[in-house]
Amino acid sequence: NAGVTQTPKFQVLKTGQSMTLQCAQDMNHEYMSWYRQDPGMGLRLIHYSVGAGITDQGEVPNGYNVSRSTTEDFPLRLLSAAPSQTSVYFCASSHIGTGEYNEQFFGPGTRLTVL
Amino acid sequence: RKEVEQDPGPFNVPEGATVAFNCTYSNSASQSFFWYRQDCRKEPKLLMSVYSSGNEDGRFTAQLNRASQYISLLIRDSKLSDSATYLCVVNLEGSARQLTFGSGTQLTVLP
Repeated sequence: NAGVTQTPKFQVLKTGQSMTLQCAQDMNHEYMSWYRQDPGMGLRLIHYSVGAGITDQGEVPNGYNVSRSTTEDFPLRLLSAAPSQTSVYFCASSHIGTGEYNEQFFGPGTRLTVL
Repeated sequence: RKEVEQDPGPFNVPEGATVAFNCTYSNSASQSFFWYRQDCRKEPKLLMSVYSSGNEDGRFTAQLNRASQYISLLIRDSKLSDSATYLCVVNLEGSARQLTFGSGTQLTVLP
C-alpha cells in the first residue's frame, strides 16, 4: 500500500493564481481531511469529508474548495492564492468511528509559497 | 483560549534522561486522546493513544486526568532518536471533525 500520497511536494505561486493540491489514499478510508501547519499554530483543519460526495468545512476554510468524487481522492483547490496561504499542507485519512481510537494517516505534505 | 495547549519548549535533555510533557484541553466532551510525533519537515505519525487508565509502550507512558482535563507523556531513558516535536491531540466523541491538535512540544536529546 502506498498509504496517503500528495502532489506536488513543493509549489510556488504568485498572488491571484489558482491551483489544486492532490491527495489520494489506498486504504479505503471513509474520512479524509486537509490541514495547514504554520509555525506556532499547530495543524488547523481546512476541510474534511466523511465519504464520497460529502464534504464540510473545518476551522479555516476560506479561500479553499474541496470535492470528493471517489473514496480515494480528495483534492484541495486554492481559488485565488494569497501570501497568507503560504504554509505546509497535509492531507490525512482514517476510518470513522465514534469513541474509537482511529489513527489518522498523513501524507508527506505540500510546501506552498505564495509570492 | 486554545482548545489544546502545550508548552512549546524547546526541551533540551541529555541522553538517558527522563522527560515529561503536559497538555491541557478545554472541551470536557473530548473523548479520545493521542500523542503524535512529528520529525522535522515530515508528516505527523501516531506515537500512542491515551486511555483512561493510562498506558505504557516501552519507554513511553501516557496518562489522562479527565477531572483536570490534562494529558501527559513521559519518556524514560531518552534516545537521540526521540528528538522530534510531540503533538497532543484530542477528539470529540461523535465529531466527524475528529482531531484537534496542540501546537506541539519540541524535544532535542543531546549526546
